[in-house]
Amino acid sequence: DQQVKQNSPSLSVQEGRISILNCDYTNSMFDYFLWYKKYPAEGPTFLISISSIKDKNEDGRFTVFLNKSAKHLSLHIVPSQPGDSAVYFCAASAGAQKLVFGQGTRLTINP
Amino acid sequence: GAVVSQHPSWVICKSGTSVKIECRSLDFQATTMFWYRQFPKQSLMLMATSNEGSKATYEQGVEKDKFLINHASLTLSTLTVTSAHPEDSSFYICSARDPNTIYFGEGSWLTVV
Repeated sequence: DQQVKQNSPSLSVQEGRISILNCDYTNSMFDYFLWYKKYPAEGPTFLISISSIKDKNEDGRFTVFLNKSAKHLSLHIVPSQPGDSAVYFCAASAGAQKLVFGQGTRLTINP
Repeated sequence: GAVVSQHPSWVICKSGTSVKIECRSLDFQATTMFWYRQFPKQSLMLMATSNEGSKATYEQGVEKDKFLINHASLTLSTLTVTSAHPEDSSFYICSARDPNTIYFGEGSWLTVV
């Protein structure tokens, strides 16, 4: 049972444009959501998080939106830069429970 | 800088031997740490939850006698792959939770030859 889903395995965006990565979840008990960026052969790097009491959190070029009724969250990166090319994982947890990860989306920023 | 550190980053061992991977939280104490495994082009798979001072909780399908986890202090958890086989070759990643978020280590590549 895949509780956290990233339905797009890959995404290609032109440099300077907006990148939108999507994530859906099924467990209504999830109350904390995170986005991680991962380069090959490296551990994931924390990007941004949001708790279920909010619907938006912004940090520089990164904004995460949470739609609880749709059980959907998205990560917006604007403007996109070549260094943003990586695999992005969304993750969710319920309380202090373990993180559940999506399958990841490979983002490629084209110059 | 890194708040969770893993060591070693790369390790090659012979089939049948054991290898230990360390995970340290550098700036905070972590009563709970997590161990993940990633196969090529796949998502992170949670192997076990490491609890300081008590036994680890293993996910279904993970052999607890093969993947020994010890969380001896609030800043250190170790994963020991015992009697390693080539199919154990993978990228192992740990994470630890501080009051605000969850941080990941840099990962450890294990190659069993």
